[in-house]
Amino acid sequence: DTGVSQNPRHKITKRGQNVTFRCDPISEHNRLYWYRQTLGQGPEFLTYFQNEAQLEKSRLLSDRFSAERPKGSFSTLEIQRTEQGDSAMYLCASSLKQDYGYTFGSGTRLTVV
Amino acid sequence: DAKTTQPTSMDCAEGRAANLPCNHSTISGNEYVYWYRQIHSQGPQYIIHGLKNNETNEMASLIITEDRKSSTLILPHATLRDTAVYYCIALNSGSARQLTFGSGTQLTVLP
Repeated sequence: DTGVSQNPRHKITKRGQNVTFRCDPISEHNRLYWYRQTLGQGPEFLTYFQNEAQLEKSRLLSDRFSAERPKGSFSTLEIQRTEQGDSAMYLCASSLKQDYGYTFGSGTRLTVV
Repeated sequence: DAKTTQPTSMDCAEGRAANLPCNHSTISGNEYVYWYRQIHSQGPQYIIHGLKNNETNEMASLIITEDRKSSTLILPHATLRDTAVYYCIALNSGSARQLTFGSGTQLTVLP
């Protein structure tokens, strides 16, 4: 297990289509986070799971966005009816305990055309 | 979590120490100082964190002032691969641990 894995690395979709991204965290990490990053900005928090429970959601996570983490392992982030403003890098991170650093994946770059 | 302030950009000569400052004057007693960096087109990478005492690991050293209102990340011998955006984040050690990234410092290591 070499780190946090995100798939796909790149996704180009037409406006109005649905897309789903997958994140596989480090296996023993019980905490999982999703962030979004637009060009020239720092990453912005979207949502947080502890095991399978989604404990926090940002107001950035509109009702078109949904995240799941069944069985507390991998996670998926789905965007319905994509808009051009959804174009961004979607980053996943995991951590083991409080006060530990997060390990981020390489991200999924979404382009909505 | 306390707001942090960092310079927008810095240059450093290859092989020299890079000293990246961060101000966090409103930091509370239970907030840690975390440093991450992000190399172009990659996810952020954890570097180091500390509460009160200075910390050192294989990547860097973190110097926190006695009043905890500022800190400095030190890369002792910068290489070209250290060129990245460096983020300083103050984070409460309690629940709901979401990192709040600012704009960071773009460090450019020059040959």
